[in-house]
Amino acid sequence: GENVEQHPSTLSVQEGDSAVIKCTYSDSASNYFPWYKQELGKRPQLIIDIRSNVGEKKDQRIAVTLNKTAKHFSLHITETQPEDSAVYFCAASGHPSEKLTFGTGTRLTIIP
Amino acid sequence: SAVISQKPSRDICQRGTSLTIQCQVDSQVTMMFWYRQQPGQSLTLIATANQGSEATYESGFVIDKFPISRPNLTFSTLTVSNMSPEDSSIYLCSAAIAGTHEQYFGPGTRLTVT
Repeated sequence: GENVEQHPSTLSVQEGDSAVIKCTYSDSASNYFPWYKQELGKRPQLIIDIRSNVGEKKDQRIAVTLNKTAKHFSLHITETQPEDSAVYFCAASGHPSEKLTFGTGTRLTIIP
Repeated sequence: SAVISQKPSRDICQRGTSLTIQCQVDSQVTMMFWYRQQPGQSLTLIATANQGSEATYESGFVIDKFPISRPNLTFSTLTVSNMSPEDSSIYLCSAAIAGTHEQYFGPGTRLTVT
């Protein structure tokens, strides 16, 4: 089955700087890669996703890149703000409506 | 997006008892799933809830312990049976929304077994 690795496990950045979280996956049949943000005590929230037919997708300060050949994808957050502090999970599946395999999570702390 | 509700939001149960968690979605959905999340850890898929048929369980999870029902497209239940303290966790349902197929999560049920 699919295996998703995520790095780093913790990340601290100064407010205003950029943060990058990286994930690798094992199953070449995976075609859908969402990212979720989970604040303490809250549900995971879908923040952005990318499908295998594109290499990059951007939504305001958040972007995701995908390299299918290398089987890795990354989340980029620019101009970080205190409210970006949370745990971020990457995931992978063969199709958007199929079961997701999650990475281990990255705890992002924005230092004011 | 979609509104996904779960109940109860939390419960404290005694060893050996069972708890049924309900999940309701306000939109048309295709797939529904049940996950478990231990504090500070990632999400582990328990099973895919199939409408009108038996759920599809992941390795390490069995129907006798985690029976699941999905009587219609937008509603599912997960029962945690014969509970032990090791079952203490947060249980979350998720649903893939028809059209976009994006998956959204319910707020979770925090279960403590004493």
